[in-house]
Order: sequence, then C-alpha cells, then structure tokens
Amino acid sequence: EVQLVESGGGLIQPGGSLRLSCAASGFSVTNNYMSWVRQAPGKGLEWVSVLSSGGSTYYADSVKGRFTISRDNSKNTLFLQMDSLRAEDTAVYYCATGGSSWFDPWGQGTLVTVSS
Amino acid sequence: QSALTQPASVSGSPGQSITISCTGTSSDVGSYNLVSWYQQRPGKAPKLMIYEVTKRPSGVSNRFSGSKSGNTASLTISGLQAEDEADYFCCSYAGSSTFWVFGGGTKLTVL
Repeated sequence: EVQLVESGGGLIQPGGSLRLSCAASGFSVTNNYMSWVRQAPGKGLEWVSVLSSGGSTYYADSVKGRFTISRDNSKNTLFLQMDSLRAEDTAVYYCATGGSSWFDPWGQGTLVTVSS
Repeated sequence: QSALTQPASVSGSPGQSITISCTGTSSDVGSYNLVSWYQQRPGKAPKLMIYEVTKRPSGVSNRFSGSKSGNTASLTISGLQAEDEADYFCCSYAGSSTFWVFGGGTKLTVL
C-alpha cells in the first residue's frame, strides 16, 4: 500500500527553524516527483515546493531562499527544511507524490504554528 | 487571494448534478491541460478526483467529470450523493516560474 506519513511539525517562534519529514512506503521517493503543499487554517491549498526524480528543486516565491526540499534515498524519506519562519507560514503541511502533472497520494499533514 | 477563482459554495439535492467552475488566466488554465481537482473532507488530506482536465484515477466514481473551455475549468458531479459533501479544490500548472496554482476551494453541500 502506498502511504506517506509526515512528522516534525509544532510550535516555533518567528525567525526559527523546523525540519519536516515525510516517510514513504509502497513506492520509492527517488523515482517520483515529490512535493510539499500547505494549507493555512481555514484557507485554501498553496503549493510550496517540488523535488523532481532527477533531483531538480523548485519553490514558490513565498518560500524561496528560506525553505529547502531534499530526500534521503536510503530512508525513502522526503524533507522540508524551513528557516526564517514567519507567522504567515503557519499551516498544515502536506507531502504528496507528484508535481509534474498531479498530486496523489497525499499524507495526513503536519501542523506548523509560527507564533511568539 | 488564490490564483484560481472558484465559487465559495455550491449546493444540490441528492440525485442532481452540480458544476464547480475554476477560472484562471491564459498563463495557467488557458495554456496547459494540467488541471486537476481534489476533494477534501473535514480534517482529512486532499484526494485526487480528476487529472489532466478530464481523466479520472482508478477508483474514482464515474459520476465525477472534468472539462475546460478557455481559461475556465469545470468539475461536474452527477447523481449527487451525501458522501460527496466536501471541499473541492482545482489546481493548474502555471509555467516554469510559478509552477502550480490552486483555487480557493468550493464547499459542496448536499441538501
């Protein structure tokens, strides 16, 4: 069964850093496009970043220069390193397979709250 | 403000059909056949319902269909059922600078 499980969310002060993880099972993160999509409380979805199967990385302008997407092939895990966090980064962060044509499946999400 | 415009809410009675619109621009919806639709129930992760404008993933009911005309994509649900009540989001590729844009979401209520 294909499954994605995120972890690493929590409460963090503005300016702080956090690293999200997304453990995949049932398929290889190396051979697929993998993405992060976030959803602020009560709001819509916002694409954050994608890592191609070839290793190319792309970011939304809102996070460029602050967030870094990466993967650990041996652990079959996707990461999102988030630095210089701002209040507007508060959201549920979902990892999802895809980013070249569609996003499927999605993990259950992990909540990041940036507040002092 | 989301890049793609969706109605905030739509409603319909069981058995009826409803259509949710998703309006973008010539830089996203109008330029690429990479529109997808996602269903999200409260507290749950989004689920892919339609991809590449009209294609349905395995396991998704054929009551769900997608289309596109110009800068507007649409999701139609026929034979409404209570279980269809959820939020629906559209998504489009927007080129190699912006990549992916989503709509603000539409809350579907089955009366």
